[in-house]
Amino acid sequence: GAGVSQSPSNKVTEKGKDVELRCDPISGHTALYWYRQSLGQGLEFLIYFQGNSAPDKSGLPSDRFSAERTGGSVSTLTIQRTQQEDSAVYLCASSSTGTGNEKLFFGSGTQLSVL
Amino acid sequence: GNSVTQMEGPVTLSEEAFLTINCTYTATGYPSLFWYVQYPGEGLQLLLKATKADDKGSNKGFEATYRKETTSFHLEKGSVQVSDSAVYFCALSARITNKLIFGTGTLLAVQP
Repeated sequence: GAGVSQSPSNKVTEKGKDVELRCDPISGHTALYWYRQSLGQGLEFLIYFQGNSAPDKSGLPSDRFSAERTGGSVSTLTIQRTQQEDSAVYLCASSSTGTGNEKLFFGSGTQLSVL
Repeated sequence: GNSVTQMEGPVTLSEEAFLTINCTYTATGYPSLFWYVQYPGEGLQLLLKATKADDKGSNKGFEATYRKETTSFHLEKGSVQVSDSAVYFCALSARITNKLIFGTGTLLAVQP
């Protein structure tokens, strides 16, 4: 596709359930990033992929959070046993090579609400 | 560690007013600096960037100059329009880590 695609756009779940969020980056982009945007908190880095490897996952808040990327393309962010504090907009971004001065292309995000 | 601090909003201005949104950073080495913008209902998009000291990034009438001596990258526009109403994020990329570190964002509301 032309841009970064995320699905679902909205997800409402009950506390304790697992959720999977999907990101389809721009074709050919080797770098992929997950961020979390909470009200009043700005954008919080979660994890960075270069190809299928994750050289930086320092932002994952707890072991309930995990992510994978397959085929150097689609990535899935999984949150197990969701908690109310996980409610946020989860943003995915990709860039061509992942060098530090490159433009990131963002998706529209997944709004996660944990009841 | 690396961090970005930007002025809190909301910033409310009348059309054609001068805009400044302050941004300062803390980083090891020589980061690249960015301003991203999020228009209502849209995803984040790059507004401008500067990759070394004294560089000036500019786009759509907005400017920001990379000031190493004051560790700042303030966003300015001489005459704002209603269509500039959005949330503006200052960010840095430390060359080693390849990730963007964002400030908390500043909401700009421009009134006709």
